[in-house]
Amino acid sequence: LAKTTQPISMDSYEGQEVNITCSHNNIATNDYITWYQQFPSQGPRFIIQGYKTKVTNEVASLFIPADRKSSTLSLPRVSLSDTAVYYCLVGDNVSNYQLIWGAGTKLIIKP
Amino acid sequence: EAQVTQNPRYLITVTGKKLTVTCSQNMNHEYMSWYRQDPGLGLRQIYYSMNVEVTDKGDVPEGYKVSRKEKRNFPLILESPSPNQTSLYFCASWASGSPYNEQFFGPGTRLTVL
Repeated sequence: LAKTTQPISMDSYEGQEVNITCSHNNIATNDYITWYQQFPSQGPRFIIQGYKTKVTNEVASLFIPADRKSSTLSLPRVSLSDTAVYYCLVGDNVSNYQLIWGAGTKLIIKP
Repeated sequence: EAQVTQNPRYLITVTGKKLTVTCSQNMNHEYMSWYRQDPGLGLRQIYYSMNVEVTDKGDVPEGYKVSRKEKRNFPLILESPSPNQTSLYFCASWASGSPYNEQFFGPGTRLTVL
């Protein structure tokens, strides 16, 4: 299972673009990179998933360099409601039912 | 509405008194899982189930039991709760294959064991 490293916390301001980077040096060939968002006392919510290059949806973008040893979640024009903990997970979509969650990145958005 | 429900949402109990936390999903998902979350930590997997009558241990199974008699339900059983099981519990489900596919989480159950 690939180990991930994220900043413990970040803060930013409304309207800014926020980038959260996750390091996963021992990512395996079959591994995908998945990001979840969690608000206090709520279950995590899937944000985005990717394998390489760039993935974009209505919520965020995920940038993955060619070596795949890191990835960056990009949240455009954040608002106060984006204050949450963001988790980066790395694993394959074929096997291994044990999911390893780190402590995540606590993102605080200020007015 | 597609959802995972858990009951109760809050529970205060005493050491040794058996309890069950229910989990139900209406998405016809094959896979379900229980997690616990403690302050400042990420989620830790307790048990998971790949289908009816098929379950396996996660990272922290001690002190817990599960059953999967129906596809939609996956109850978590604490036969003799202890204070170190005070935690926030989440149930999750996903459609198929690896849990790295999108998981859908319930609202959580906050358990306090005195």
